[in-house]
Amino acid sequence: KAGVTQTPRYLIKTRGQQVTLSCSPISGHRSVSWYQQTPGQGLQFLFEYFSETQRNKGNFPGRFSGRQFSNSRSEMNVSTLELGDSALYLCASGLAGGDEQYFGPGTRLTVT
Amino acid sequence: GQSLEQPSEVTAVEGAIVQINCTYQTSGFYGLSWYQQHDGGAPTFLSYNALDGLEETGRFSSFLSRSDSYGYLLLQELQMKDSASYFCAVREGDKIIFGKGTRLHILP
Repeated sequence: KAGVTQTPRYLIKTRGQQVTLSCSPISGHRSVSWYQQTPGQGLQFLFEYFSETQRNKGNFPGRFSGRQFSNSRSEMNVSTLELGDSALYLCASGLAGGDEQYFGPGTRLTVT
Repeated sequence: GQSLEQPSEVTAVEGAIVQINCTYQTSGFYGLSWYQQHDGGAPTFLSYNALDGLEETGRFSSFLSRSDSYGYLLLQELQMKDSASYFCAVREGDKIIFGKGTRLHILP
C-alpha cells in the first residue's frame, strides 16, 4: 500500500499571501488529521476530517481552514500568512476510531 | 482541556536502558500511544496501551497506569539509531493530542 503523500514538500511564501497544502491518505483510510509542528511545540492539532466532515478543530485562528474530498484526499489552506506560520505541516491518516496514525512526510512552509 | 507532560530531553549511553515518562490530563481517556520521529522524518507509530500494564514489542516496551494518569516508554539495548524524538499521545474523542516530545540523545 502506498503511504500518505503530501504536496508540495517545501514552500516559501511571503507575509500576507495564502497557501494550500494537499494530502492523500492511505487507500481505505477515511480519517485525515492535520498538525503543525514547530521546534519546542511538538505536534499541535489543527483539524480532523472524516467522510468530508470536519469533526474537530484545534485552537488555531480562522485563517486556517481545510476540507476533505469524496476520495478522502484533504487540503488545508492558510490565508494572510504570518511569519509565525512557518512550520512543518503534517498530515496523518487512519482508520475510523483507530489509534494508529500514519503520517506523511510533511510540507515545510517558510514565510518571509 | 487536555495536557500531556514529558521531559524535553533525555540522555543515555549506547547499550543501556532508558525510560521516557508521560503524564496526562484529559477529560476522556481511551489510551496512550507513543511515536518516534527522527530528524527530518515523519512520526511513526510505536505502541498503544488502552489497559494498565506493560506491552512489549522487541526492544521497546510501553507501560500505562490509568489510575495515575501516567505512562512510560522503555527502550532497551539502546542503539545509536534510537536517537530521535519520542512523543506520547492520547485520544480525545475524534482527535489525537500529542505531547511536546522528548529528545533522546545517545552517547557512544
